[in-house]
Amino acid sequence: EVQLVESGGGLVEPGRSLRLSCTASGFTFGDFAMSWFRQAPGKGLEWIGFIRRELYGGTIEYAASVKGRFTISRDDSKGIAYLQMNSLKTEDTGIYYCGRPMVQGVHEFDPWGQGTLVTVSS
Amino acid sequence: DIQMTQSPSSVSASVGDTVTITCRASQDINIFSNWYQQKPGKAPKLLMYRTSTLQTGVPSRFSGSRSGTDFTLTINRLQPEDFATYYCQQASSFPLTFGGGTKVEIK
Repeated sequence: EVQLVESGGGLVEPGRSLRLSCTASGFTFGDFAMSWFRQAPGKGLEWIGFIRRELYGGTIEYAASVKGRFTISRDDSKGIAYLQMNSLKTEDTGIYYCGRPMVQGVHEFDPWGQGTLVTVSS
Repeated sequence: DIQMTQSPSSVSASVGDTVTITCRASQDINIFSNWYQQKPGKAPKLLMYRTSTLQTGVPSRFSGSRSGTDFTLTINRLQPEDFATYYCQQASSFPLTFGGGTKVEIK
């Protein structure tokens, strides 16, 4: 079964850092790009970023709202994608999801992980 | 950036009704519009991709269409399990963007 599991969320003070992990199973992780999304409490979905396969240089796209503060990376040997979040703001509070493109080379995402909650508060 | 303007933001309907949700893209995105369903406390689930292709396992009462930059999700014969929030997403170019969501509530 194809599965994604996020971890690493929690309560953090403004200005601090947090690293989220997205652990994949049931498929060859290195064959797929990966993406991160978030959802503020009671709000809609927001795309955060996308990391391509190493075959395509592992290049990364970011949303303007996080560019320069968040960094996406991947470890294909472990089957994990990471989201390093620095200089966190209260508006970064929300549930963070990772998602895999349905097939290689597309931007429709299935599956998604169950999400991990990040709360930025003093 | 491509904006996806979704309407309505909420709709009240009864079991058996037909519900229509629309997303308007701010520029041409060809067929690259997807639809997700999200239930409370759960991750989004891909319903339909590239305008009108149903994801595996999604009932045929869901359908999608396109007219220019307008994309429509139609749910026929609404079932109790269809009460959820629906989001469109453009998959044409980065940054990927979502519509604001439509909550389908029980009348």
